[in-house]
Amino acid sequence: LAKTTQPISMDSYEGQEVNITCSHNNIATNDYITWYQQFPSQGPRFIIQGYKTKVTNEVASLFIPADRKSSTLSLPRVSLSDTAVYYCLVGHSYSGAGSYQLTFGKGTKLSVIP
Amino acid sequence: KAGVTQTPRYLIKTRGQQVTLSCSPISGHRSVSWYQQTPGQGLQFLFEYFSETQRNKGNFPGRFSGRQFSNSRSEMNVSTLELGDSALYLCASSRRRKGPPYYYGYTFGSGTRLTVV
Repeated sequence: LAKTTQPISMDSYEGQEVNITCSHNNIATNDYITWYQQFPSQGPRFIIQGYKTKVTNEVASLFIPADRKSSTLSLPRVSLSDTAVYYCLVGHSYSGAGSYQLTFGKGTKLSVIP
Repeated sequence: KAGVTQTPRYLIKTRGQQVTLSCSPISGHRSVSWYQQTPGQGLQFLFEYFSETQRNKGNFPGRFSGRQFSNSRSEMNVSTLELGDSALYLCASSRRRKGPPYYYGYTFGSGTRLTVV
């Protein structure tokens, strides 16, 4: 199973773009990457999911290079309310079996400074 | 639309006892998964249920078990509690995809905080 590594913490000023990178060197062909956001005393909240290249939604972008050994979550123009822990998740799917295993990163604590 | 509901929110149990946690998924979501979150180990996948059958299982001992009912509601049971089982237990629900990765983004509940003394 893919092992994920992400920075423990990051600081950013309001209004800046934040990029959080997750390393998953031994990612397999059927593995997908998902990012979640978690606030204290709440469950994680889905942000974005992708397999390769670039995925964008209304809140974030996910960049996955061709070798897929890393992925970068990009948050445009962060605000104080984006202060949270961000988790990278690699899901390994067993093709044809409908089954999978999930490996979470340890999380990156993002602090947005006014 | 109601979110994922977990009960109870807090629980204190004694070592050696057993505990049952409950989860009501979002209406229409038939996949329910469970997770353990601790400061030391982070978020760990316990298992997933779909159509009343366990489809996936993480690396946890057999003391951790679950079930899903015909209305997609799910319960998780931990027997012979150990101090190390103290954690936030999260439930999440999703529709299931027909092909890889077999899941969409999960919607999580707020969790049950279990303390074993």
